Amino acid sequence: DVKVTQSSRYLVKRTGEKVFLECVQDMDHENMFWYRQDPGLGLRLIYFSYDVKMKEKGDIPEGYSVSREKKERFSLILESASTNQTSMYLCASSLTGGRSQDTQYFGPGTRLTVL
Amino acid sequence: AQKITQTQPGMFVQEKEAVTLDCTYDTSDPSYGLFWYKQPSSGEMIFLIYQGSYDQQNATEGRYSLNFQKARKSANLVISASQLGDSAMYFCAMRRPPALQGGSEKLVFGKGTKLTVNP
Repeated sequence: DVKVTQSSRYLVKRTGEKVFLECVQDMDHENMFWYRQDPGLGLRLIYFSYDVKMKEKGDIPEGYSVSREKKERFSLILESASTNQTSMYLCASSLTGGRSQDTQYFGPGTRLTVL
Repeated sequence: AQKITQTQPGMFVQEKEAVTLDCTYDTSDPSYGLFWYKQPSSGEMIFLIYQGSYDQQNATEGRYSLNFQKARKSANLVISASQLGDSAMYFCAMRRPPALQGGSEKLVFGKGTKLTVNP
């Protein structure tokens, strides 16, 4: 079974802090994704990566950056956390060139609160 | 641009009854895929079922089936014989093609429907 893990389930930070959210997958997937989820807005894509050191902006990249130094690990970085970044953050991974029905596999999420 | 619409913010169903969760989509691509996910209160997104745009038959997975009406651009999820454990958020998603050649396909999600199963 695919396993996607995230470093923390709950995180509380202060405004202006630099925040790192870590995600690790164990299935040798090429693609990794970071989403944020807010009530009434569904999931919105922040950034994704299709290979080591390769990244592409999603729909809402402002205020975030990412790092992918190893295939299994994808980090989301909040350079200077703000209260409007309080949210649930979900990481996902998927294969490239797999079957059309191959889905994204999600981690358990990190609920971040910025005070 | 691709878009997913889920018009039901919340739905209620009695245990053991069937329920339909609505999903409509908008795309100009001839090839696309549609997914349904379940998100219990624990937060993890669980893949339920997939329908490809060229699939001739509606997808089924156990108690889940997808009522795919291509001309109407709808992909409704039907849950038969509801159980208390089905109470969760349900998201419809569509796979969109990569922006660049060789890039990655991404998913676009609807805003979700909260299903509550009553005993």
